[in-house]
Parts: sequence; C-alpha cells; structure tokens
Amino acid sequence: ELKVEQNPLFLSMQEGKNYTIYCNYSTTSDRLYWYRQDPGKSLESLFVLLSNGAVKQEGRLMASLDTKARLSTLHITAAVHDLSATYFCAVDPSSNYGGSQGNLIFGKGTKLSVKP
Amino acid sequence: EPEVTQTPSHQVTQMGQEVILRCVPISNHLYFYWYRQILGQKVEFLVSFYNNEISEKSEIFDDQFSVERPDGSNFTLKIRSTKLEDSAMYFCASTFYNEQFFGPGTRLTVL
Repeated sequence: ELKVEQNPLFLSMQEGKNYTIYCNYSTTSDRLYWYRQDPGKSLESLFVLLSNGAVKQEGRLMASLDTKARLSTLHITAAVHDLSATYFCAVDPSSNYGGSQGNLIFGKGTKLSVKP
Repeated sequence: EPEVTQTPSHQVTQMGQEVILRCVPISNHLYFYWYRQILGQKVEFLVSFYNNEISEKSEIFDDQFSVERPDGSNFTLKIRSTKLEDSAMYFCASTFYNEQFFGPGTRLTVL
C-alpha cells in the first residue's frame, strides 16, 4: 500500500521566516503534486512535478522532487500571512506504468499558520 | 478559465436515504474522479472514470456507491443508503494530461 507522509503536520511561522515542508512516499513514482486548501474550500493546484530533479517556483513557494529518495519538498521563503493554509502533497502511483490514471494518494496535510 | 463545477454545495440527508452528487468536469478532460475528505482529515480517493466506465476504485467505494455519466457533461456520484460516516466533503476532479483540477466540493451531512 502506498503511503504518503508529510511533516510537519502543523507549522506556526513568523512572517519573514523561511521553512520547508517535507513529503515522503513509499513507492516509486515520478509524479507528485502540491495543493493548497483554505478552510472550507477546495484544493488549489500549486505545482505538478513530473520527473526526478524537477524544481518549480511560484512567488514565495518552491517545490522540488527527488524520485530516488522518494522525497518532495515545499520551501517557503519570507512567509507572509496570506500563505496561511493547509498544504497537501499527493502522489500518482500509477505513473510507473506509463499513462497516468491520476488516482492521487494524499498526505495528511501540513497546516501552516503565519503570524505577524 | 474553465473550471469543474459541483452541485449542490451542501446536502443534508437522513441516514438510509439516497443522495446524488453532481459534477460537471472541464469539457475537454478525459478522466474524472471522486474524492472525499472527512472533516479535518486527508483527501481520500474513491473512484476514477474513463471512457464511460470505472477504471479504478478504492476500498471505500463499496456497493453503496455508484458513478454515472448520464450525458456528455454531467458526472454523478450516488450513495444508495447513506450512513453517518458518509458525512464528508466530496470533491469531483478531472484531468486532461497531468494536472488534476478539483471542483469546489459538496458538503454532505448525514443525520
């Protein structure tokens, strides 16, 4: 059974600080996704990482993927209050077989709170 | 920008009743999915649908659940006899190539 583990599960940061959220998964996959979820809202796609060594950046967020280590990171630079949300990583286990069915397996999420 | 839509946004039902949750995926997308999220927990995969048939389902997706694409646009999830533990947020998603887009969700409350 594929397991996706995020840590930390809760993160309280001060504005202006940097931090990294980690996502480990238990089987080989080269497709990893990061989503943001605000309370009571849907999942907003942040990053799609499709190969080993992939790095993507958007604003204060940067995501990377190491398929050999089965690890993805989401790095937050100079946090601001607007980044407060829950961040989920999700793995597509079927990508090992060529075409993806996209049945994403999610981590438990990291609840980020950025305080002034 | 095209988006996945879902109706209703909130459904309240009595235990044992049937509910149908509706979704309109993005029009040129080929794969459709249902996920659920129990309050405060992670998102769980229920079922995927491609070419008018189920392509994969999870252990959660038992005989009480069914999916259908009754016409060219709607994608529905039916729960035949709801249980208290079915209370959750249900998300529909669709994908064309690699990126999966989620709808706003239907909050199902079973009393």
